[in-house]
Amino acid sequence: DTEVTQTPKHLVMGMTNKKSLKCEQHMGHRAMYWYKQKAKKPPELMFVYSYEKLSINESVPSRFSPECPNSSLLNLHLHALQPEDSALYLCASSRITGGYGNTIYFGEGSWLTVV
Amino acid sequence: KNEVEQSPQNLTAQEGEFITINCSYSVGISALHWLQQHPGGGIVSLFMLSSGKKKHGRLIATINIQEKHSSLHITASHPRDSAVYICAVHGGSQGNLIFGKGTKLSVKP
Repeated sequence: DTEVTQTPKHLVMGMTNKKSLKCEQHMGHRAMYWYKQKAKKPPELMFVYSYEKLSINESVPSRFSPECPNSSLLNLHLHALQPEDSALYLCASSRITGGYGNTIYFGEGSWLTVV
Repeated sequence: KNEVEQSPQNLTAQEGEFITINCSYSVGISALHWLQQHPGGGIVSLFMLSSGKKKHGRLIATINIQEKHSSLHITASHPRDSAVYICAVHGGSQGNLIFGKGTKLSVKP
């Protein structure tokens, strides 16, 4: 199983809503990532979890709250978002963080629209 | 100047043509990835390279560490190869991925 599964695929939410994006992998990977991608732009790193601990937060606003309840699951809790937060949110995982011999696997993404 | 530069930005080819996409980087890296993204959104990892050359089906990826350059070749291109191809390197202090801006490939039947 080399899949990273993201749900939901599409989410429309109002600016006062609270919602969550979910990501799951069963490859035994201990590094998991959230990326945000706007149209026609490359992905931008938001958060990195290493061994279920938050290791990188790329100055992401607090209206985005990540959670890693166990080594297979990664959540992104959303609250009081702005329309400019509308984007594709990609989850990824790898065996460990860093480069050598470390293939990274991406999910299909969750398309988020904030209205 | 971006740390990872790709060329061309856009590429249109006829079915069957040989295609080359180039990637140059300016940072020290531990590995380079070629990624494919279709309009639906998901990203697929095609290759991870730290040296030499890799081949998978009609796809070939090469890297020259001394010249800090990599190429992705597609032989006998097909319309289903139409996608955005992204070069990304593991660099920086924590080895995070640094992405190029992508090459949008369109293969016409």
